Amino acid sequence: DADVTQTPRNRITKTGKRIMLECSQTKGHDRMYWYRQDPGLGLRLIYYSFDVKDINKGEISDGYSVSRQAQAKFSLSLESAIPNQTALYFCATSDGDSIGNTIYFGEGSWLTVV
Amino acid sequence: AQSVTQPDIHITVSEGASLELRCNYSYGATPYLFWYVQSPGQGLQLLLKYFSGDTLVQGIKGFEAEFKRSQSSFNLRKPSVHWSDAAEYFCAVGAAPGGSYIPTFGRGTSLIVHP
Repeated sequence: DADVTQTPRNRITKTGKRIMLECSQTKGHDRMYWYRQDPGLGLRLIYYSFDVKDINKGEISDGYSVSRQAQAKFSLSLESAIPNQTALYFCATSDGDSIGNTIYFGEGSWLTVV
Repeated sequence: AQSVTQPDIHITVSEGASLELRCNYSYGATPYLFWYVQSPGQGLQLLLKYFSGDTLVQGIKGFEAEFKRSQSSFNLRKPSVHWSDAAEYFCAVGAAPGGSYIPTFGRGTSLIVHP
């Protein structure tokens, strides 16, 4: 089983709808992240959380919100989806105590907003 | 602020040929540097990382990278490419403002391998 699991893996939704992407991890890491990948733009950080009570905005947080329900769970919500939020979304975790903070990624969630 | 530049969007090589993917970074202090690989339909997997010490770093799958401070570069190399190496490669630089160590990723280089 994957250490970082994302659901759903694929979703098509309509403009204006609310959509939630869920992430769970079994690595026991305190830090969790949501990234967005667009062709030619690489990975951009949406939100990150260093522990259950710590949530921080990343580079492109507008239009998104997150919830850290437990150490192992970190969900990303699009309250009112728009077409330019069509992208591949990655959840990731890291062990903050390790030097350099190696990040471990889930397999991604493809989101299409029509 | 830290940043990463991968100047090549696509690289095409023949199977068995050598490979070098370029990465240049911007950061005011000694950086933490990473290379990740993304195979089609997969998440990102760590190939190798540099923190300190020997500037030539060995990674998985036969890859290596060399940190050159004078050139602000961390290029990825492989002496003989296999068809299974076709993937997207991302360079990342990690800094520690306040101890956050959150990496910034480059835009990626797509590797195409011809038989």
